[in-house]
Amino acid sequence: EADIYQTPRYLVIGTGKKITLECSQTMGHDKMYWYQQDPGMELHLIHYSYGVNSTEKGDLSSESTVSRIRTEHFPLTLESARPSHTSQYLCASSELGQGAGETQYFGPGTRLLVL
Amino acid sequence: AQTVTQSQPEMSVQEAETVTLSCTYDTSESDYYLFWYKQPPSRQMILVIRQEAYKQQNATENRFSVNFQKAAKSFSLKISDSQLGDAAMYFCASYGGATNKLIFGTGTLLAVQP
Repeated sequence: EADIYQTPRYLVIGTGKKITLECSQTMGHDKMYWYQQDPGMELHLIHYSYGVNSTEKGDLSSESTVSRIRTEHFPLTLESARPSHTSQYLCASSELGQGAGETQYFGPGTRLLVL
Repeated sequence: AQTVTQSQPEMSVQEAETVTLSCTYDTSESDYYLFWYKQPPSRQMILVIRQEAYKQQNATENRFSVNFQKAAKSFSLKISDSQLGDAAMYFCASYGGATNKLIFGTGTLLAVQP
């Protein structure tokens, strides 16, 4: 299994709360990603990073924000959670420089339920 | 733009039998890679197999192999000697060097019957 961790694994929270989903990897990968996945559906890229101090928005519009202060850490924050944010959030990482052949390694995911 | 299509939402196979999951893709890039990922229920998504588009030889990884038809833009996954642990959602994905993004299909849920 890949060395990429996400906490919490499950989170139930009320509307309006601020939450941060944690993602850490110990593989020294430069590139990190956040995907949103509704149950039984495909993954949609919401944020990615090429390295420290680099963050980019993905294809799916998201009200979340990310930061990359350290190589191994890529947290995702929702300033004010809403029921529409209920979903699974997957973090992934890959090694920069593999060209078009990079393999992404995924964390176990965080299942978020906003009441 | 890249697209990945999996036309089989669900598939079922008997234990020890062989099953093939279909995937078609579309890309304007000449340099791209194709992947099959497996997502077991409530477990981590893991890479099953990957194929470099410039290679004509089909990738193989133990019981898993692909049938890569570049002209037809088809990338099917064959699972031989299916095991109960193969039950999972399988996602086909493509990665292009120009877009630098991994695009996923909608997935195929595979059930393995004992």
